[in-house]
Amino acid sequence: ILNVEQSPQSLHVQEGDSTNFTCSFPSSNFYALHWYRWETAKSPEALFVMTLNGDEKKKGRISATLNTKEGYSYLYIKGSQPEDSATYLCAWGGGGADGLTFGKGTHLIIQP
Amino acid sequence: DTAVSQTPKYLVTQMGNDKSIKCEQNLGHDTMYWYKQDSKKFLKIMFSYNNKELIINETVPNRFSPKSPDKAHLNLHINSLELGDSAVYFCASSRYRVSPLHFGNGTRLTVT
Repeated sequence: ILNVEQSPQSLHVQEGDSTNFTCSFPSSNFYALHWYRWETAKSPEALFVMTLNGDEKKKGRISATLNTKEGYSYLYIKGSQPEDSATYLCAWGGGGADGLTFGKGTHLIIQP
Repeated sequence: DTAVSQTPKYLVTQMGNDKSIKCEQNLGHDTMYWYKQDSKKFLKIMFSYNNKELIINETVPNRFSPKSPDKAHLNLHINSLELGDSAVYFCASSRYRVSPLHFGNGTRLTVT
């Protein structure tokens, strides 16, 4: 069984605060780690794709890091805004198969 | 222009019927996928299709079959629908194996 675990499951953050959450995944047969942002009533949108150990990616106030040896990735949001409210999914590519294995997501709510 | 479009958006049908969900992408991507969002909100890979090579998740019942008339389309056919097939089904595409996925808006299937 290939498990991709995300924590916490949900998170309430005050507007303006910074936050981060975790994705853990199998470290063997790794080829990519994806992060997606999923707003209610929409489809998931890609934030980052990381492939190399130590990768760090940034898009505006959102950044992500990758540790393939220990099997985890962090997503950071700096200065949270109400529009950051969404479910953030990570997805692991590996195991020799095509297609990604998704985590259950972290549901982020930014409180004004 | 919608990059990945799937129809219908909603599908309500009775047990035992056969139905299809259509998916089209205008991104020129080489690989298309079908994902199922189960009752626990997990996104699970069902199929990936690349250059006429179909990779099937072994947990998918053989009542489900993808059909690709050309590179831009991957339709999902479901025979003898069961109550447990009720879910949201997402089509997606990507250019390469490590490229981000572009999702359609989902089809909510309800089997009564």
